[in-house]
Amino acid sequence: AQKITQTQPGMFVQEKEAVTLDCTYDTSDQSYGLFWYKQPSSGEMIFLIYQGSYDEQNATEGRYSLNFQKARKSANLVISASQLGDSAMYFCAMREASQGGNNRLAFGKGNQVVVIP
Amino acid sequence: KAGVTQTPRYLIKTRGQQVTLSCSPISGHRSVSWYQQTPGQGLQFLFEYFSETQRNKGNFPGRFSGRQFSNSRSEMNVSTLELGDSALYLCASSLVPGGASGNTIYFGEGSWLTVV
Repeated sequence: AQKITQTQPGMFVQEKEAVTLDCTYDTSDQSYGLFWYKQPSSGEMIFLIYQGSYDEQNATEGRYSLNFQKARKSANLVISASQLGDSAMYFCAMREASQGGNNRLAFGKGNQVVVIP
Repeated sequence: KAGVTQTPRYLIKTRGQQVTLSCSPISGHRSVSWYQQTPGQGLQFLFEYFSETQRNKGNFPGRFSGRQFSNSRSEMNVSTLELGDSALYLCASSLVPGGASGNTIYFGEGSWLTVV
């Protein structure tokens, strides 16, 4: 079964507008962590934001914020004021405590975002 | 401070050969994990090392192996290369394994492997 689902097709976003990328996850763990990464065409996986399952507040990092709805098992990434440099693939990933307290991440298939001027 | 460093960045190998990829984690990070990324399968976990010990292994054949050195640097090796091994291989590091708050996982730029 897929643990992380990212179903949106490629998105075109106007520069300076906000964009929301959907991520739903499947786990029976109570303790888990959710990550969002950005991957430009160069291949590097750039860390954006992290949300722990016990965190009461939604995570924010600069222009990135996470809309975490635990009961719905969703962790949507919001990018405010899009910039041309935001054009990339965006991946949602999950680390589960049941995986032995390690750093094994399960990734979604990604969302392609293209920011247009 | 320097990020996760992977070498080489690009390489081309012939079927049947073997390849070794190297990863230097962020200074102070002791946990290193490896991932394979292909267009068809997406990102798949290969293995994870901590304190020179493999803690977890993904669903890959025995041709894929790795190790970690006492300075936390890691290498992965693929023997008897197949065309399907063509992929971006990503290394990630964190302070320690596990979900402690702040134990973020950072990735390197990856090694692009093409098997011909």
